[in-house]
Amino acid sequence: ETGVTQTPRHLVMGMTNKKSLKCEQHLGHNAMYWYKQSAKKPLELMFVYNFKEQTENNSVPSRFSPECPNSSHLFLHLHTLQPEDSALYLCASGNSGGNYGYTFGSGTRLTVV
Amino acid sequence: GENVEQHPSTLSVQEGDSAVIKCTYSDSASNYFPWYKQELGKGPQLIIDIRSNVGEKKDQRIAVTLNKTAKHFSLHITETQPEDSAVYFCAASRSSYNNAGNMLTFGGGTRLMVKP
Repeated sequence: ETGVTQTPRHLVMGMTNKKSLKCEQHLGHNAMYWYKQSAKKPLELMFVYNFKEQTENNSVPSRFSPECPNSSHLFLHLHTLQPEDSALYLCASGNSGGNYGYTFGSGTRLTVV
Repeated sequence: GENVEQHPSTLSVQEGDSAVIKCTYSDSASNYFPWYKQELGKGPQLIIDIRSNVGEKKDQRIAVTLNKTAKHFSLHITETQPEDSAVYFCAASRSSYNNAGNMLTFGGGTRLMVKP
């Protein structure tokens, strides 16, 4: 257990479904990140939140909608996804200001059918 | 922005041999370089990091070296064991003292296979 918990671990959804991924950290970090990991792009940054404010959106399609209600929780809302969105979605947390490594969760393996 | 290149993409070694993974970076202002290990079914885990004020850091069988002039850094694993088999990622970032946050740029990963 790394201190960053992601649920669910596996998710299969149809292209017309709406689902949400959840991430929770208990490390006292003030920054949280969503990454997409696939064979084509091993660690692709999607969104960054610092102190609950979104500070980075890496040209992610609007069918992915992040939400950060507080510094400990991060969600990724999914709707009308495409099969090419199938991937491992990783959440990470860290501290903004200064240089420190991130702590990653174990990820959600998403399959879009 | 920063660009991190990592080589090789796959590396196969015999148990007991050494393994070396190399990364280059483009932003001369980068000053923090972590390495992550990702085992099957898990997220990447930080295994060692180095800051630009030192040239080498060791932790048991792993070490990292940094050459700021050439803008490259390397991970060295000695006496490799089957449990070292995983995907390894290097990363680089620069200090951020505003709310824009600490942004790591990752390399493309190296799949290390240690054959018993």
